[in-house]
Order: sequence, then C-alpha cells, then structure tokens
Amino acid sequence: NAGVMQNPRHLVRRRGQEARLRCSPMKGHSHVYWYRQLPEEGLKFMVYLQKENIIDESGMPKERFSAEFPKEGPSILRIQQVVRGDSAAYFCASSLTSGGAHEQYFGPGTRLTVT
Amino acid sequence: SQQGEEDPQALSIQEGENATMNCSYKTSINNLQWYRQNSGRGLVHLILIRSNEREKHSGRLRVTLDTSKKSSSLLITASRAADTASYFCATDPRNTPLVFGKGTRLSVIA
Repeated sequence: NAGVMQNPRHLVRRRGQEARLRCSPMKGHSHVYWYRQLPEEGLKFMVYLQKENIIDESGMPKERFSAEFPKEGPSILRIQQVVRGDSAAYFCASSLTSGGAHEQYFGPGTRLTVT
Repeated sequence: SQQGEEDPQALSIQEGENATMNCSYKTSINNLQWYRQNSGRGLVHLILIRSNEREKHSGRLRVTLDTSKKSSSLLITASRAADTASYFCATDPRNTPLVFGKGTRLSVIA
C-alpha cells in the first residue's frame, strides 16, 4: 500500500509564475490536508478537503492560493503569481476519517523555491 | 500564536542517553500527537495520546499527558544516532486541522 505521494519533490518558479503541487492520498483515504513549513518552523495548516469539497480553508491565504480535490485524480494546491515569500516546503497529509483522533499520514513534501 | 510549543528548541545528547522533550498547549484538546521529521523529509507519526489518557508507551517512546497543566512530554530511552531528527507535537483544538509547534531538534551523537 503506497503512502502519500507528492510531486514534484522540488519546484523552482520565477516570481509571477504559477506553481501546481499534487498530492495523491493513501489508498482508501478521502481526507486530505495541506500544510506549509518555513525553515526552522513547524507546519502551518492551510486547507482540509474531502472529495470534491473544501471543508476548512481557514489557513490558506485568500488571494493567489487555491486547492481542489476532484472526484478522480490527486489533490492540487495551486499558487498563482508566486512571490519569494511563497518559498517553503508544502506537505500533504491524508487520513482515513476526519477528526484529530485519526492519525494523518504525511507525504514527502514539495519544496518550492521562488527566484 | 502557536497552540503547541515544544521545549527545548534544541537538544544534543550522547548515544545511549535518554532524551526528554516537552510540549505545552493553550486550549482544551481531544488528543495530542507526536511526530518526527528527519531533515528534508516528511513527518512520521510516532504516537497519539487521548485526553483521557495519562501515559502511553511505544517501544522506546514514552509519552505523558497532563491536561491540568496543558502539557505533554516525549521520552526517548536509550537514544540512537538514528533518532536524530526534529520532533513536533500536534494538537487538534478545532477537532480537525492539526496545530503544530515549532519542534525540538534532537541531535544524538555517537
């Protein structure tokens, strides 16, 4: 049973370009979470999705950022018109059910560098 | 502000010694989890302790939870070089999204 997959592992974008980060949850998991981690910091929650629905996007910036989890295919975190401050590691996690009582399984992350 | 705050920020010990890391949080929780992150990698779940539990063991790991003090500790016994990593506590004050602290960077010197 493959774990959470994320691609690409590393992504370099120039300021103003778009970044698309993909996350395939563990098989059977329908809950996906995106987190951002700055150097020497903990993970900051961005958005929680179930299939075709955004459940909680309270941690996601209102502008330039969007996320989706379609019925088929991976979850996508999209950052438009990237700026240097978007440089970070973005982690996706999935869980079998909702609620903090169920552990979240993390992917290896995508390291975004904006030049 | 962070819900979970780990202490110390960094810890360096000799192989074979025990390592203790602490986590404090501010609001009531349903459970608390500890994760490990090796440099440049994703997080690995270590242990989950529910709010009605006081202590939990998993191999060389021992986690305690004191809800009256809103604190938890992670003890790694007989540490190994491979335990070198950052350790994060995570709480679920709003039930679903986890809130992580900044972590404790543990270095185990062989």
